[in-house]
Amino acid sequence: QKEVEQDPGPLSVPEGAIVSLNCTYSNSAFQYFMWYRQYSRKGPELLMYTYSSGNKEDGRFTAQVDKSSKYISLFIRDSQPSDSATYLCAMNHYGGSQGNLIFGKGTKLSVKP
Amino acid sequence: KAGVTQTPRYLIKTRGQQVTLSCSPISGHRSVSWYQQTPGQGLQFLFEYFSETQRNKGNFPGRFSGRQFSNSRSEMNVSTLELGDSALYLCASSSPQGGEETQYFGPGTRLLVL
Repeated sequence: QKEVEQDPGPLSVPEGAIVSLNCTYSNSAFQYFMWYRQYSRKGPELLMYTYSSGNKEDGRFTAQVDKSSKYISLFIRDSQPSDSATYLCAMNHYGGSQGNLIFGKGTKLSVKP
Repeated sequence: KAGVTQTPRYLIKTRGQQVTLSCSPISGHRSVSWYQQTPGQGLQFLFEYFSETQRNKGNFPGRFSGRQFSNSRSEMNVSTLELGDSALYLCASSSPQGGEETQYFGPGTRLLVL
């Protein structure tokens, strides 16, 4: 079993839809959770960073962590064509600046106008 | 503030050759990590450097090596290239000083091994 599982998609939604992206993990030692967005032929861009269980909101994006279920989610409200990208979840044991991040394989999202 | 920069952006090499990739972190960041990204395996951690010392290492063969200089710039080297080394190599920098402590990625170097 891989440490982090993420549905690769592809996921196609109409503009304005609510998007739900998810990852599950097996290592209960993970404490820091991140979501990155990666456009084609670009490096990953940090979207959200959370520590411990709960919700964190930033504009149209909401990150949710449920450590008891080992499950994290990213919600995108009012999705736009510019949100079309691959979304990667990442996590690690230490502070996000230290050590290695463990990534999901990414979910490719397409938002149709 | 300028972001993470990586050079070169694209590289074509043949099997058996070696290659050196360069990464300049965000100003003030002292930690640099390297990752390999392939369609099959996704993003995998190679190694991390902090203050010129390797602090963490992933599960890659010894052909993959790196170093960090006193100005925090980092290089990674791959010797005796194999076809399977074709990938996007990403560098990330971070600063463990306050705020949200996480890693910021450069645009990557795309390596093609023929």
